[in-house]
Amino acid sequence: IQMTQSPSSLSASIGDRVTITCRASQNIRKYLNWYQQKPGKAPKLLIYAASTLQSGVPSRFSGNGSGTDFTLTITTLQPEDFATYHCQESYSSPPGGTFGGGSKVEIK
Amino acid sequence: EVQLVESGGGLAQPGGSLRLACAASGFTFKNYEMNWVRQAPGKGLEWISYISSSGTAIYYAESVKGRFTISRDDAQNSLYLQMDSLGADDTAIYFCVRRTGGISDYYYYFYMDVWGIGTTVTVSS
Repeated sequence: IQMTQSPSSLSASIGDRVTITCRASQNIRKYLNWYQQKPGKAPKLLIYAASTLQSGVPSRFSGNGSGTDFTLTITTLQPEDFATYHCQESYSSPPGGTFGGGSKVEIK
Repeated sequence: EVQLVESGGGLAQPGGSLRLACAASGFTFKNYEMNWVRQAPGKGLEWISYISSSGTAIYYAESVKGRFTISRDDAQNSLYLQMDSLGADDTAIYFCVRRTGGISDYYYYFYMDVWGIGTTVTVSS
């Protein structure tokens, strides 16, 4: 399974609404995770099952989609949200899961 | 506190070997599936190896199959990655990652919920 994210990078301002897209090369139902990674840090799980928020993740993050097309939306972008976001499918075997190429959200 | 701490990274010669270790704490290590995920400089994340909680199921990405060996020692709460025949393409940060899951709409979904800080492997002559 190939995972394609777009855009690879974007510039946005504090308070903006940001949407990142992840496309799977085949139907993965809702087996899609989103992670946030800040420079020099490990990734952090934000969303699993395409739309279920991990405990402790702010409600301004939301996920949507099923099948092959998925989105991660950040409403009202905050300073701490500038990071790289990765999608990952958890549908395939072996149980590792393919990641997308990442989408970097930068300050405009 | 739930924590994973990797060690063992460093500089290796092409064709050489390194052994990475990951120390787990704050949770019952033997109950969890574990993975290694790497990130080459400026690149995305790449899953490279998985081991089941019992240690009986092991998988590798094609890019490392036959060269890397994953193992675990539950008595020591530790995960390992033996890396042989290293090449420049293996230069990356290596993360030790816990795999678990949760239920959503009556289905069980897997995800990687705990990540170590990573250890850097550089392969160069």
